[in-house]
Amino acid sequence: QLQLQESGPGLVKPSETLSLTCTVSDDSISSSNYYWGWIRQPPGKGLEWIGSIYYSGSTYYNPSLRSRVTISVDTSKNQFSLKLSSVTAADTAVYYCARTSYQPLGLNWFDPWGQGTLVTVSS
Amino acid sequence: QSALTQPASVSGSPGQSITISCTGTSSDVGGYNYVSWYQQHPGKAPKLMIYDVSKRPSGVSNRFSGSKSGNTASLTISGLQAEDEADYYCSSYTSSSTLVFGTGTKVTVL
Repeated sequence: QLQLQESGPGLVKPSETLSLTCTVSDDSISSSNYYWGWIRQPPGKGLEWIGSIYYSGSTYYNPSLRSRVTISVDTSKNQFSLKLSSVTAADTAVYYCARTSYQPLGLNWFDPWGQGTLVTVSS
Repeated sequence: QSALTQPASVSGSPGQSITISCTGTSSDVGGYNYVSWYQQHPGKAPKLMIYDVSKRPSGVSNRFSGSKSGNTASLTISGLQAEDEADYYCSSYTSSSTLVFGTGTKVTVL
């Protein structure tokens, strides 16, 4: 059964770069017609899509975060990663990775999701 | 991009049916049949409940159903049960080739 697991520092200083990795188990990240995405949820707030990547490196990003976000993929490790630069307290959130389905026009639904990891931005 | 609009809260008694709305624009919900719904229990990751407006993934109870009219999508939970108490989020593909979530709805079982 496909599983995703986020990993990375739980505390990041303001103005620095947040870096997270998602490891995919029980399926090859490059064998399926899916994208792989990141979603975040500030404490007590709603979900926000960050961006998604295909194993070839093709990406889609949320316009509101595009200038600070880089998503990359490492097929040899069956992982994909998120980098968010110049973070502030507003970037404090639970970060989820998820498989993203693809329809003829673009991205669609997310399933399954990783368990999520809390990243706090604080000095 | 603006979040899709959902009611902050919806409640119902066990056995009743409730409906959660998700209102967008012709550039997202109204323009495409790519609306999905997620259930999130406290401290847990979201779970896909409905995709492509009205399709149910394997394993999801048939008490959950989805529909769409114009710029508004809806999730209906019939035969409400205590375990349905959770937050629910809609999501839609947009004309900018992006995805947008709804503001979220807290469902309370009275």
